[in-house]
Amino acid sequence: GAVVSQHPSWVICKSGTSVKIECRSLDFQATTMFWYRQFPKQSLMLMATSNEGSKATYEQGVEKDKFLINHASLTLSTLTVTSAHPEDSSFYICSARPKNRGPGELFFGEGSRLTVL
Amino acid sequence: AQSVAQPEDQVNVAEGNPLTVKCTYSVSGNPYLFWYVQYPNRGLQFLLKYITGDNLVKGSYGFEAEFNKSQTSFHLKKPSALVSDSALYFCAVRPYSGYSTLTFGKGTMLLVSP
Repeated sequence: GAVVSQHPSWVICKSGTSVKIECRSLDFQATTMFWYRQFPKQSLMLMATSNEGSKATYEQGVEKDKFLINHASLTLSTLTVTSAHPEDSSFYICSARPKNRGPGELFFGEGSRLTVL
Repeated sequence: AQSVAQPEDQVNVAEGNPLTVKCTYSVSGNPYLFWYVQYPNRGLQFLLKYITGDNLVKGSYGFEAEFNKSQTSFHLKKPSALVSDSALYFCAVRPYSGYSTLTFGKGTMLLVSP
């Protein structure tokens, strides 16, 4: 149980286009989902916290207009990278906190590799 | 603010030998500690966690970790390393009480040689 699915796993896009990444909890409800960005050989950087039915909370330095997050249901959160540029190329990982599990228990998606040409 | 330190960028060990990946933390109050493993181009996989109770925590794939409150450490260990254990390992912490996100260490690459 507690599977988190991310789609797409890999995406290549042209500069200036927008890309949507989906994060789904397949067998549990997640009131909270987190979006991370990971640069090569570096740790995970928390970008934003997404709560179902409310606006996402962004970490300092993360452009909310650039990285649009929608948590429309208890099993789906989306991250849209708007007007993508090469510097947005990165590995994006989502995680989900099950509704009825202990604090801090997170389950991670497999990640989405974004390459902006 | 909470923080995690993983002092080693890389740990090299021969297959069959014991391994240790170090982690120290700083947090207000009692900690909630985790170890995750990441294989190339993959998400994070949960290995083990410490909440309360026994200081020695056993997790997946034969890994264990020892919580030491006085040294604020939570080192990951395995008695006999496998080549397939080669991966990037992250330690993470959050306060046990209250709401807070997980804070990750910078990661330690474990390389197990045949």
